[in-house]
Amino acid sequence: QKEVEQDPGPLSVPEGAIVSLNCTYSNSAFQYFMWYRQYSRKGPELLMYTYSSGNKEDGRFTAQVDKSSKYISLFIRDSQPSDSATYLCAMSGFSGGYNKLIFGAGTRLAVHP
Amino acid sequence: DGGITQSPKYLFRKEGQNVTLSCEQNLNHDAMYWYRQDPGQGLRLIYYSQIVNDFQKGDIAEGYSVSREKKESFPLTVTSAQKNPTAFYLCASSIRGTTGELFFGEGSRLTVL
Repeated sequence: QKEVEQDPGPLSVPEGAIVSLNCTYSNSAFQYFMWYRQYSRKGPELLMYTYSSGNKEDGRFTAQVDKSSKYISLFIRDSQPSDSATYLCAMSGFSGGYNKLIFGAGTRLAVHP
Repeated sequence: DGGITQSPKYLFRKEGQNVTLSCEQNLNHDAMYWYRQDPGQGLRLIYYSQIVNDFQKGDIAEGYSVSREKKESFPLTVTSAQKNPTAFYLCASSIRGTTGELFFGEGSRLTVL
């Protein structure tokens, strides 16, 4: 079983829709949770960074962490064609004697006008 | 502008040849990383370096080598021992540690013919 599971999609939604992206994980040592956005043929860029359980909002984006269920989500409100990208979840924590950072496989999102 | 520069963006090589990918950062970050990205898979760590003249193997270091002679530079050599070298290679840096706030370059796509 992978330490981080993420549905690869693709996910196709109409402009204006609310998008929900999710990851589950198995390692309870993970303490930091991130979402990266990656446009085609580009490097990922950090979108959201959270430390504890709960919600964090930044504009149209909301990151949600539920440590008890080992489940994290990213919500995108009023989705735009410019949101079309691959979204990678990532998490880190001290495990096995060192700080470990693990990425999900990424979910490809397409927002059509 | 501060950032990470990877070169070349695209590279074609014949099987059996070593290739070196360049990564330079002017963010004054201590830590630098090399990841490999394949379709449908998360980013996999090849090598990382927390400080000049020191580096550690990641999860898939076999067939790769690195050096860290300067803080700004972390080149990756893909050797002929790497069995499946065709991939998208990403260099990243962070202020310290691996809590997850990584800054990525735009990537280098290597195709071995």
